[in-house]
Amino acid sequence: DAGITQSPRHKVTETGTPVTLRCHQTENHRYMYWYRQDPGHGLRLIHYSYGVKDTDKGEVSDGYSVSRSKTEDFLLTLESATSSQTSVYFCAISESVARVAGGLNEQFFGPGTRLTVL
Amino acid sequence: AQKVTQAQTEISVVEKEDVTLDCVYETRDTTYYLFWYKQPPSGELVFLIRRNSFDEQNEISGRYSWNFQKSTSSFNFTITASQVVDSAVYFCALSEGETSGSRLTFGEGTQLTVNP
Repeated sequence: DAGITQSPRHKVTETGTPVTLRCHQTENHRYMYWYRQDPGHGLRLIHYSYGVKDTDKGEVSDGYSVSRSKTEDFLLTLESATSSQTSVYFCAISESVARVAGGLNEQFFGPGTRLTVL
Repeated sequence: AQKVTQAQTEISVVEKEDVTLDCVYETRDTTYYLFWYKQPPSGELVFLIRRNSFDEQNEISGRYSWNFQKSTSSFNFTITASQVVDSAVYFCALSEGETSGSRLTFGEGTQLTVNP
């Protein structure tokens, strides 16, 4: 199994409070991703990173920010949590990306964080 | 924009039956990658297979097999002689070759229940 941990694994918070989720990897992979999983939507990409301090938005980035100061850590922050951000959040990593011919671009996922915003 | 459709929301079979999970995709790229992931009741996501758009060979791994057909934009997954441990949600996903970051677009998943 890829060495990916997420913390916390469960969190309950109140509307309007800031929340930070952490993803830590021991694989030294360059690419890291944050997804959210909601019933009826599968997984949707929030933000991703293609290197230290290099990040970009995914399809559902509103209300979220990310930071990556080290290869191994990718933080997801909800500046002011809302009930619509109640979800299961997954971090993923990949060694390479699709545009690199023959690259190992499959993504491996962490165990997930269940976030409830009351 | 890329899109993945898994029309079967739920499938229920009896152990030892064969079952096929359908996946249809849309993309404008000529180079792309398709994936299947398994999410058992414990919640983690397990990578099963990656297939490149330029390789249409079908693949078999034990009781699992995958049928990739570019002509119908489908990447179907068959489990032969299903077992109770195969009960899970299965996701098909697509990554376009020209976009940065290898972003995955997931289907909504198919809940497979294998009954003893």
